[in-house]
Amino acid sequence: KAGVTQTPRYLIKTRGQQVTLSCSPISGHRSVSWYQQTPGQGLQFLFEYFSETQRNKGNFPGRFSGRQFSNSRSEMNVSTLELGDSALYLCASSDGRVGSEKLFFGSGTQLSVL
Amino acid sequence: DQQVKQNSPSLSVQEGRISILNCDYTNSMFDYFLWYKKYPAEGPTFLISISSIKDKNEDGRFTVFLNKSAKHLSLHIVPSQPGDSAVYFCAASDLQFYFGTGTSLTVIP
Repeated sequence: KAGVTQTPRYLIKTRGQQVTLSCSPISGHRSVSWYQQTPGQGLQFLFEYFSETQRNKGNFPGRFSGRQFSNSRSEMNVSTLELGDSALYLCASSDGRVGSEKLFFGSGTQLSVL
Repeated sequence: DQQVKQNSPSLSVQEGRISILNCDYTNSMFDYFLWYKKYPAEGPTFLISISSIKDKNEDGRFTVFLNKSAKHLSLHIVPSQPGDSAVYFCAASDLQFYFGTGTSLTVIP
């Protein structure tokens, strides 16, 4: 099976712009979750989508939003970018069972906000 | 508030010796615990997990120990190899996954 695919790999944006990141999960996986990784902060949970519905949400401002399509692919959007949004954004997929054993991660999108 | 904590940002170990990575958590409702390994420019990969009904799980050179009364989790790597040099994240789950801040392990040849 192909792994989790995230595009683009790198992005450079300026403050105030918006950005959309894409994630294709492992075939058959219905859950996609998004994480932000910054130095010293570990992986901070953004949100999780299951069957096109947001199932869980972390403590991020409303500028961070997402959606999931019927083929389980997911997009994450960040509007009005701030310098502090510079981070590695990771997408993870799983079969979606509550308490599912593992998350499978993509390689991430490295976002730099100038 | 950080529900899963890794208080050691870095650890250096000689090749062949034991590496012990520690993790503490605050939520007694967590029922599953995992360790992930991350190399630069790659996403984290699953390493080993343990259910809350167990206190130990082994997989080759990797062993995870769970002390529920202390809300403490540890990962032992024996013997440590240079290829083990990476950032290790512990995670806990109830309805979602909570990750620690990571420990950067360096195994010195």
